[in-house]
Parts: sequence; structure tokens; C-alpha cells
Amino acid sequence: DTAVSQTPKYLVTQMGNDKSIKCEQNLGHDTMYWYKQDSKKFLKIMFSYNNKELIINETVPNRFSPKSPDKAHLNLHINSLELGDSAVYFCASSQDSWAGGESFGPGTRLTVL
Amino acid sequence: QKEVEQNSGPLSVPEGAIASLNCTYSDRGSQSFFWYRQYSGKSPELIMSIYSNGDKEDGRFTAQLNKASQYVSLLIRDSQPSDSATYLCAVNTGFQKLVFGTGTRLLVSP
Repeated sequence: DTAVSQTPKYLVTQMGNDKSIKCEQNLGHDTMYWYKQDSKKFLKIMFSYNNKELIINETVPNRFSPKSPDKAHLNLHINSLELGDSAVYFCASSQDSWAGGESFGPGTRLTVL
Repeated sequence: QKEVEQNSGPLSVPEGAIASLNCTYSDRGSQSFFWYRQYSGKSPELIMSIYSNGDKEDGRFTAQLNKASQYVSLLIRDSQPSDSATYLCAVNTGFQKLVFGTGTRLLVSP
């Protein structure tokens, strides 16, 4: 009975490739997020969507493109992967757009070789 | 200056002791504050939220907020080895996003 799920859990790929991470939440929340946690464990927001509309778009390279087909799904597509993209990517959701109390997914560990 | 600062630790306490975790933030307009626990290899899990000055208690956890000093803390009473984790302080600065600190690693020894 997973609340926020992500696939895949692990992703190992070569530089220059394009990859996608999928996220789904069954909590009925209106807002979904993508966070990046780097090797030093620093967790930083990348994007947030409220009811399929983009709210937050942090200073993220435009190689990263989020897509929200409906309010229960938020996918992340990454083009032309670089070594520095290696990190753990967490999807999260919250009841409304006032950030705080997010439920996090299990994370996707991306390794770019 | 970092927006949210925490001592990276590790903070080592014996089982049964009180663990005190601290966090300072730079934006005086910050309105809500959160503590997340993250076990190694797992996702962050919300354990406390606090919105007004003072103390808020939930079981063995107490969050303390002092907006004048821009300081928020988390006390864990009767610490258990299962409390060993990284504790992330997060602040909502009013821009519909959370800003996280780098976390404090807590080690509780039996």
C-alpha cells in the first residue's frame, strides 16, 4: 500500500544518455515535487507541481524536464546526462502547495558513468 | 551564509540520554519549520513540525522554536539506538518550497 512510489530504484547509465524517472502518489495530494540529494546528503528542491501546473522551477539545467500527466503522477526526464547528475532523486507529495510535511518516495539512485 | 545551518555531527549520545539537535536559519520571514529523520539509504520521514514560538511535544520528541533568535531545535528524550539517523531541519521561507539543512548525524550507543 505504497503512498509515493518511484521507478526505477536504481539507474546506472552512460554520459550523454537520456533517462526518465517515474513517480506516482496514491495519497490524493495536490502537489508533487522532485528533490535532488547529492553525495553530501544535501537535499534541494528542483520542481513542484500543483494540480499539474508548474509552481517551482529552481535553477535546474533545462536538460531536466518534469512532466505531470495528472495530479497523481510526476515524471522527470533527463537529457544528455552528465557525471554531476549522479545523485539520489526523491519524488514527494503534499496536500497543498504550502510546502512542508511532504511524503517522500523511496528515491532513485542515479549513477552516471 | 547558508539559508539553513546544522552541525553535521556526528552527535554521539548514550542510550537513554537526551539528544539535542540544533538548526539556525537566515530568513526572518520564515513561517514554518520541520524536522525530518533519514535513515541511511532511505527517504526522509517527517517527525515534527512547528509554527509558533515555544515548545511542541510529541512522544519522546520536542521541537523548540525561537523566531527572534532564528533558531529551531529538536530534543529526543530517552534516546534509543533506533534513533540513530540523520536529522534534517527544513524551513518554509514563504515561497512554497522547503529549504533543507545539510543534516546532523545522530549516533545512539547501547
